[in-house]
Amino acid sequence: AQTVTQSQPEMSVQEAETVTLSCTYDTSESDYYLFWYKQPPSRQMILVIRQEAYKQQNATENRFSVNFQKAAKSFSLKISDSQLGDAAMYFCARRGGATNKLIFGTGTLLAVQP
Amino acid sequence: DTAVSQTPKYLVTQMGNDKSIKCEQNLGHDTMYWYKQDSKKFLKIMFSYNNKELIINETVPNRFSPKSPDKAHLNLHINSLELGDSAVYFCASSQASGRIYEQYFGPGTRLTVT
Repeated sequence: AQTVTQSQPEMSVQEAETVTLSCTYDTSESDYYLFWYKQPPSRQMILVIRQEAYKQQNATENRFSVNFQKAAKSFSLKISDSQLGDAAMYFCARRGGATNKLIFGTGTLLAVQP
Repeated sequence: DTAVSQTPKYLVTQMGNDKSIKCEQNLGHDTMYWYKQDSKKFLKIMFSYNNKELIINETVPNRFSPKSPDKAHLNLHINSLELGDSAVYFCASSQASGRIYEQYFGPGTRLTVT
């Protein structure tokens, strides 16, 4: 099955600290795309970061970075200097083949403690 | 400038009714999607259209009928609404070519069937 697994239903981090959210996936493709989306209480889905599987370099976007381990099919998200506004549900997703659909994980609810 | 918009944002209706949700994108994308987010926050693809042509239909009951009058619009019509249809429905769009596959989401429509 082509699945995406997020094993941490909930995480908590202190403001200004660093937190890592885990994601593993299953695919038989060699070229694919991975994404992290953030869903705050407003329910808007916001793209945080993307990784192209053919690129060995880990993607970074300001305080957000990924640890992409292609052989292990692992794609974790690191949030540095956590801010109160980072509190949200985070979804890992994989682009599903030629149809371009997104296959989502079950999400990790991140709380940021002041 | 709203990139992907949906109307209405909230919809409360009774079982058995027929309702529609509209989606418009002004990003110039050629592919649009409908996702359903259930009460446990799980997101799943329902439909996708590329240049007005249906390319994904993920075993959704035929009470759900998407319609794409042009590349910028994708509407979702639901007949004979059931309690289990209560969910948040997200519209999204992307460009299917050029190796830029991230999807941009609308604000979601919370459908409540009573």
